[in-house]
Amino acid sequence: GAVVSQHPSWVICKSGTSVKIECRSLDFQATTMFWYRQFPKQSLMLMATSNEGSKATYEQGVEKDKFLINHASLTLSTLTVTSAHPEDSSFYICSATSGLAGGQTDTQYFGPGTRLTVL
Amino acid sequence: ILNVEQSPQSLHVQEGDSTNFTCSFPSSNFYALHWYRWETAKSPEALFVMTLNGDEKKKGRISATLNTKEGYSYLYIKGSQPEDSATYLCAPAPFGNEKLTFGTGTRLTIIP
Repeated sequence: GAVVSQHPSWVICKSGTSVKIECRSLDFQATTMFWYRQFPKQSLMLMATSNEGSKATYEQGVEKDKFLINHASLTLSTLTVTSAHPEDSSFYICSATSGLAGGQTDTQYFGPGTRLTVL
Repeated sequence: ILNVEQSPQSLHVQEGDSTNFTCSFPSSNFYALHWYRWETAKSPEALFVMTLNGDEKKKGRISATLNTKEGYSYLYIKGSQPEDSATYLCAPAPFGNEKLTFGTGTRLTIIP
C-alpha cells in the first residue's frame, strides 16, 4: 500500500517551454502533497506544500509564478514549470501524506521523481 | 531552515558486516525524526518515525535509536546484505510544523 506515482520520469525540453509533472497517490487519499527539488550532491529541498482544494504554500525563495502547483483532487497534484530555463534543470520529486497520524509523524510517501533537463 | 547533518557521507561495508551512521539535528523544538531508505531509480522508502527520547525502533536487520536531548539518531544495520545498498536519509520535523528538513544522506554500498 501507499504507492505514489510520478509522471514523467524524465523530460527534456527547450528553454522557454513549460513542463507539467504529475504526482498521484494510487491507493490512498492524500490530504497533503509536497514538492521537492534536488540539485546534485545536495539534499531534498522543499519547494511547496499543497492541500487539496487550496492554494499551495511556497517556501522562501521559490517563485510561485514559475512553479505552478495544482492539487485539484485527493489523489493528484501537478507541478508546472513555466518558461523553463537551463537553471531549472533538476530532479523534482513529490510526496504525499494521508493525514492519518497527524502532522509531524505522518509518513510522507514519495514518488520516484522526475529528471528535468532544459536545453 | 534546520541544520541537519548526516555522517559519513558515504560508506563501503563488506557483506555480512554490521554498520551504523549518524543523523544530527537541532534538539530545540524537536518533535519527530523520520528515516528513509532511497535505492537508486526507486522512490524513497519510509523506515521509521521516532518521537521519544531513548526510543529504539527495529525493522528486520535495521534499527534506529533517538536522543532528542542532544539531537542525534543512529541507524544500525546488522549483517549487511547487498540489498541494503542505498542512500539513507534522515529528516527531523519541529514542533508545530509538518515540513521535513532532509539531510544529504549517507550513501551505503555493500561489497559482496
